[in-house]
This record gives sequence, C-alpha cells and structure tokens, in this order.
Amino acid sequence: DAKTTQPPSMDCAEGRAANLPCNHSTISGNEYVYWYRQIHSQGPQYIIHGLKNNETNEMASLIITEDRKSSTLILPHATLRDTAVYYCIPLGGSNYKLTFGKGTLLTVNP
Amino acid sequence: NAGVTQTPKFQVLKTGQSMTLQCAQDMNHNSMYWYRQDPGMGLRLIYYSASEGTTDKGEVPNGYNVSRLNKREFSLRLESAAPSQTSVYFCASSDRDRVGRTEAFFGQGTRLTVV
Repeated sequence: DAKTTQPPSMDCAEGRAANLPCNHSTISGNEYVYWYRQIHSQGPQYIIHGLKNNETNEMASLIITEDRKSSTLILPHATLRDTAVYYCIPLGGSNYKLTFGKGTLLTVNP
Repeated sequence: NAGVTQTPKFQVLKTGQSMTLQCAQDMNHNSMYWYRQDPGMGLRLIYYSASEGTTDKGEVPNGYNVSRLNKREFSLRLESAAPSQTSVYFCASSDRDRVGRTEAFFGQGTRLTVV
C-alpha cells in the first residue's frame, strides 16, 4: 500500500487560503488520493478525492502533480471551524482498506 | 436517515470483562470498518469487512473479534477487556459508487474506559 508523508502541523490565518501538502510517491496507477478531516472528538469527514486531474467541490480544491507523487488540498478561505486534523489517503484498485496515517493538524487562527 | 449508528456511546468496564460494541448502517453499504483512536493519536484500523460474511484484520486486531452477520450490522467484541483497550472506537461504512468514489461515513464513536 502507498505510504504518505504530511507535515504534523500547520497554521493559517482566518480568511486566508490553507494549503496542505501530501507526498505519496509510491501511489499506484489505480489508487485515488482521498482527503478526510477529523474535527476534535468527531468521526472523520470526507472532503474530496481525485485520480489525475485537479478537482474542486464546495469544501475544497485538490491539486495533484502530473507524476501523481504529491498533492495539495486547498481550503480557499479558511475559517475557525476548519481547525482539524487532515488526512491524505491513497485508496482504490487492490488497496481497499481505509487506513489513516498521522495527518496534519491545521490550526486556523483569528 | 440515520447513517452509521453506534451503541453504546459510553462504557466503563472492569479488567477481564467482556462486551460487544454494536454498529449498524442504513445506507446499504458493502464495506464496514472498526477503528480505535487513543488520545492524541490517529485512527488505527482494527478489522474490516468488505461484504456480508467476510472479515479481514487491520493494523491492530489483537484482543478483538468481529462479526458481520448481515449487510447492516458489524459488531466488535472484547472477550477480556484490558486497560490498554481504553480508547474511542469508531465504526464506518462505505461503498464504491458508479464513478469509483469511495466515501466513508463514520459513527459518533464509543468512548470505552477499562479500569
């Protein structure tokens, strides 16, 4: 299964864009990149996923490099409620177990 | 639409006692999962079930058993609870949609303390 590397923590000012990086250099060709987040004490929440192309939804944008070895989750206008641990997870193909690494703790400051 | 329902929400056990954590989903999902989350740590997969009647070990299966008797329900059993099993337990379910998306939905968690 592909391994991921994320910074343990990041800070962002409220109203600014939060850019969360993830390295997944061993991702296989049929694995998607999924992003989830966990707000304190709650169950994780799906944010977005992508395979090759950049993706955008009402929560975030996902930029995947052309070689697919890394991606960046973008929260365009971070709010205090976006303070959470964000997980980058390769999933798909023969990798069907949803496993979480350590993630990045994003703290949005007023 | 309830989604994923876990019972109980809180439980205190004495060392050596047994109990079963219940999880049910009403989304007709094939896959179900059990995780544990220790304070300040990420989620670790205990067991996984790809479909009714099948189960597979995750990262930390020791000390647990699971049962997937039907599509809706996936239970986690602690045969002889130990203080090291004090944790928050999350159940989740997911399925692959027509465009290949796998979105998992989580329950609210069961806070278990073993004394």
